[in-house]
Amino acid sequence: NAGVTQTPKFRILKIGQSMTLQCAQDMNHNYMYWYRQDPGMGLKLIYYSVGAGITDKGEVPNGYNVSRSTTEDFPLRLELAAPSQTSVYFCASQGLYQETQYFGPGTRLLVL
Amino acid sequence: AQSVTQLGSHVSVSEGALVLLRCNYSSSVPPYLFWYVQYPNQGLQLLLKYTSAATLVKGINGFEAEFKKSETSFHLTKPSAHMSDAAEYFCAVTLGGGDKIIFGKGTRLHILP
Repeated sequence: NAGVTQTPKFRILKIGQSMTLQCAQDMNHNYMYWYRQDPGMGLKLIYYSVGAGITDKGEVPNGYNVSRSTTEDFPLRLELAAPSQTSVYFCASQGLYQETQYFGPGTRLLVL
Repeated sequence: AQSVTQLGSHVSVSEGALVLLRCNYSSSVPPYLFWYVQYPNQGLQLLLKYTSAATLVKGINGFEAEFKKSETSFHLTKPSAHMSDAAEYFCAVTLGGGDKIIFGKGTRLHILP
């Protein structure tokens, strides 16, 4: 099992550009999550999904969109990049009736 | 709503010394509690978890944590620190059953030679 994979590892965007952060898991997990991590702030939940076709907002959803067309994939879309979106983004997945979340290696995004 | 508070954003210990990272939780019902570790430029990795079985939980790399309901605490300890323990540690809480996990702000552990 590859677990949770994320691409790209690092990206530089100009203000106003858009991009999609990819996340995939091969553990057949129902739940998937997107977090952002800023220094000294811990992890903040952006969006989450409890299954294919179902998504919901987390604590900091503004400026982001998600979709969940398959169980495996949970891409995060930034439409108009802003400097405030400079962060490290983590995707995680969790199995049904399980408590543990499994994290991807992260995507480091710099918006200039 | 549940929450966790980690005391100390940075903790420094000498190699070979006791490691103690503090976490207090708030929850209206018995929670599930976790410690995750994040090494530089990596994702979070589960260190150990409490799921209402034994109150003393042993994890990987010699770490353990004790659930103390009376103190609403779940502190992480290791008897003897190694240089390889330098990382950021996150305490987290959830009610289970698909409920979201709430993470603390993290404690960065520095190991002094």
